[in-house]
Amino acid sequence: GAVVSQHPSRVICKSGTSVKIECRSLDFQATTMFWYRQFPKQSLMLMATSNEGSKATYEQGVEKDKFLINHASLTLSTLTVTSAHPEDSSFYICSARGGGFDTQYFGPGTRLTVL
Amino acid sequence: AQSVTQLGSHVSVSEGALVLLRCNYSSSVPPYLFWYVQYPNQGLQLLLKYTTGATLVKGINGFEAEFKKSETSFHLTKPSAHMSDAAEYFCAVSSGGYQKVTFGTGTKLQVIP
Repeated sequence: GAVVSQHPSRVICKSGTSVKIECRSLDFQATTMFWYRQFPKQSLMLMATSNEGSKATYEQGVEKDKFLINHASLTLSTLTVTSAHPEDSSFYICSARGGGFDTQYFGPGTRLTVL
Repeated sequence: AQSVTQLGSHVSVSEGALVLLRCNYSSSVPPYLFWYVQYPNQGLQLLLKYTTGATLVKGINGFEAEFKKSETSFHLTKPSAHMSDAAEYFCAVSSGGYQKVTFGTGTKLQVIP
């Protein structure tokens, strides 16, 4: 139980384009989803927290207009990186909590490369 | 405020040897403590967690950790390392089950045959 998937696992895009990453809870209803960013050889940095049906709460320093988060259902959250630039290249990981679990369960991550 | 310090960004052990990964935390309230493992290009997998109760917590893959309040520590151990244990390990803290989780900087474990 408590499986979280992400799609795509890897994406390469040109500078200036937008990229959407999906995060799904497969076997539980995720009332809360989290989006993290991980730079090479570094820890996870929380970008934002989203509750189903509500606006996401962004961490300090994270541009909400650049990283659009939608949590429209109890099993799906999306992160859209708008007008991506090379410095947005990173490993993006989502996690989900809900279904009576007080622990976050993590997706496998998405490697974004912006050329 | 809460924080986690993982001592040693890289740890090398021989196969069959004891694994000890160190974690110290800071929290203004009784903490929830976690250890996660990350394999290359993958997400994080929960190894074990401490919430309340018994201070020695057993997790998956033979790992265990002991919560020591007096030392503000939550070190991860495994009696005998396997090659498959080579990965990056993250210690994390939160102030409750539904609160924000803060991660340490990670410790990369290398297992030498």
